[in-house]
Amino acid sequence: AQSVTQLDSHVSVSEGTPVLLRCNYSSSYSPSLFWYVQHPNKGLQLLLKYTSAATLVKGINGFEAEFKKSETSFHLTKPSAHMSDAAEYFCVVSARVQDYKLSFGAGTTVTVRA
Amino acid sequence: NAGVMQNPRHLVRRRGQEARLRCSPMKGHSHVYWYRQLPEEGLKFMVYLQKENIIDESGMPKERFSAEFPKEGPSILRIQQVVRGDSAAYFCASSPPNENTEAFFGQGTRLTVV
Repeated sequence: AQSVTQLDSHVSVSEGTPVLLRCNYSSSYSPSLFWYVQHPNKGLQLLLKYTSAATLVKGINGFEAEFKKSETSFHLTKPSAHMSDAAEYFCVVSARVQDYKLSFGAGTTVTVRA
Repeated sequence: NAGVMQNPRHLVRRRGQEARLRCSPMKGHSHVYWYRQLPEEGLKFMVYLQKENIIDESGMPKERFSAEFPKEGPSILRIQQVVRGDSAAYFCASSPPNENTEAFFGQGTRLTVV
């Protein structure tokens, strides 16, 4: 079995300040982990993915995430928020050895203040 | 290579009618997933299909909902006798049959039951 917990349902930051979105996972097998972003009334876009290579993963739009097995975490960060980062973010786990089902966190809504 | 195509983008049905949602996966993708997103909630897994097979339907309601992914043509999510609680965004994703590969999402179908 696998699951994801996003620790913050809503994060508000000022433009130009760092963003931290927290994600903890559980998985019976070595997981693949993903962050997706969903802008209002849009589909989901992949930001980045971890698939057992480097533990620090760089994604699009300046985002990065670090896989920490000891903490079962995969937190998403960005050094400087932009207004266009306002969206909903989903942390996703997939233990493809077990099955191919993607398990989503509940999502974190990010608002960016000017 | 076109992305995952879902149609229609918006669908309005009266209570008791049938809703048919279509998903054409990306070329070369043999795995299809359906997710439902209720207002103000995250994505909930419904069903995972490969060509002509349902692999995991643990997230599908036991009644009124069915899904198929025929050898030829798109995947279809069918909701019979719709009720107001079925109003949601339904997202389809596809992935190739490879390890550690992310799923690509369509733009979603927004179903409104009136």
